Amino acid sequence: GAVVSQHPSWVICKSGTSVKIECRSLDFQATTMFWYRQFPKQSLMLMATSNEGSKATYEQGVEKDKFLINHASLTLSTLTVTSAHPEDSSFYICSVRAGGAPQNEQFFGPGTRLTVL
Amino acid sequence: RKEVEQDPGPFNVPEGATVAFNCTYSNSASQSFFWYRQDCRKEPKLLMSVYSSGNEDGRFTAQLNRASQYISLLIRDSKLSDSATYLCVVRRNFNKFYFGSGTKLNVKP
Repeated sequence: GAVVSQHPSWVICKSGTSVKIECRSLDFQATTMFWYRQFPKQSLMLMATSNEGSKATYEQGVEKDKFLINHASLTLSTLTVTSAHPEDSSFYICSVRAGGAPQNEQFFGPGTRLTVL
Repeated sequence: RKEVEQDPGPFNVPEGATVAFNCTYSNSASQSFFWYRQDCRKEPKLLMSVYSSGNEDGRFTAQLNRASQYISLLIRDSKLSDSATYLCVVRRNFNKFYFGSGTKLNVKP
């Protein structure tokens, strides 16, 4: 069964609106979750690391005020795309890493496809 | 230079064929290596981890060459269901995962 869920699976919105995406870890508590973005025919790019109870860590070039991350519980992280514009249209995927051993894999959510008109 | 580079393909092969993908990584400090499979418009799913001694899982064989900084994936007896994009992933530092842009495989009847 699914380890990570995301909601919504797709969203279409007008330019200037804000969109919230939820990521839930279903099988275990996750102090850390990850948010990725994938443009067509490109690789997944890590946007930020979401830390439960503290501030997210953003990758270089990712605007923290535009992509708000809240990790309020051990099973839920949210990504809010504020004042979305067409260039923010992308596939947003969250993931949870199982355990801390080096070979522990990441489990990905099913992704949220955002289209900004 | 990209952290992880892959030939985007597509690789078009008939059913039953053997196909191999390579992937190179730029940072010698990379610590863990994976192959993920991604179907169109879906999330990536782990195919297999790659161990230093090489490892096999059914029709899939992965190898790692640290000296040359490349990883390979061999698929034997290709099935139609193997059609997907294969992502090479490396981990450096505790939580930094770097993804290749993927190699597309089309297995045809």
